[in-house]
Amino acid sequence: AQTVTQSQPEMSVQEAETVTLSCTYDTSESDYYLFWYKQPPSRQMILVIRQEAYKQQNATENRFSVNFQKAAKSFSLKISDSQLGDAAMYFCAYRSGWYSGGGADGLTFGKGTHLIIQP
Amino acid sequence: DAGVIQSPRHEVTEMGQEVTLRCKLISGHNSLFWYRQTMMRGLELLIYFNNNVPIDDSGMPEDRFSAKMPNASFSTLKIQPSEPRDSAVYFCASSLTGNQPQHFGDGTRLSIL
Repeated sequence: AQTVTQSQPEMSVQEAETVTLSCTYDTSESDYYLFWYKQPPSRQMILVIRQEAYKQQNATENRFSVNFQKAAKSFSLKISDSQLGDAAMYFCAYRSGWYSGGGADGLTFGKGTHLIIQP
Repeated sequence: DAGVIQSPRHEVTEMGQEVTLRCKLISGHNSLFWYRQTMMRGLELLIYFNNNVPIDDSGMPEDRFSAKMPNASFSTLKIQPSEPRDSAVYFCASSLTGNQPQHFGDGTRLSIL
């Protein structure tokens, strides 16, 4: 079974600064996907960024980027120019690349990192 | 386009009662997932369907839990009888094809007294 570990229960950063959230995972598969989801106090689950394991290039979405180290099984999220609206729980998630019954596989989540933005 | 729609948003009921949570998928999506979020265990996959067929229900905690897809756009998660330890936020998510990301509903906060 796959596991996802987020070792930082809470992180704090000054507004406009850069912060990096850590995530490691364990799998024996070679084909998989990794995601970062944001959960603000409203409890919505918002997709921030995704990475396909077969792609060497790190994904970026505006101020959000990842450092994907496949051999080390590491998938960190960097948030540049932090904004007050970035305050939330951030979850790292893994999904197998194997498709069951013509559809998709479920997500395995880490325990989350609570990100605090200091004004 | 409408996202994944869950109802009710909040549910408070007494132990022993039957609880039914509802989920409407995004039109055209063919995969449906139910997750549960608690402080102790975080986000856990309960069950998922592909093309209306249950694929993996190993995350369903007990026989008191059941999930169905009566049609391609709708799903229910039922707990009967409910217990206080079932209190959690229950999320439904859907996706289009195997390599597309999952879109989550706003969740149902369930409190069993």
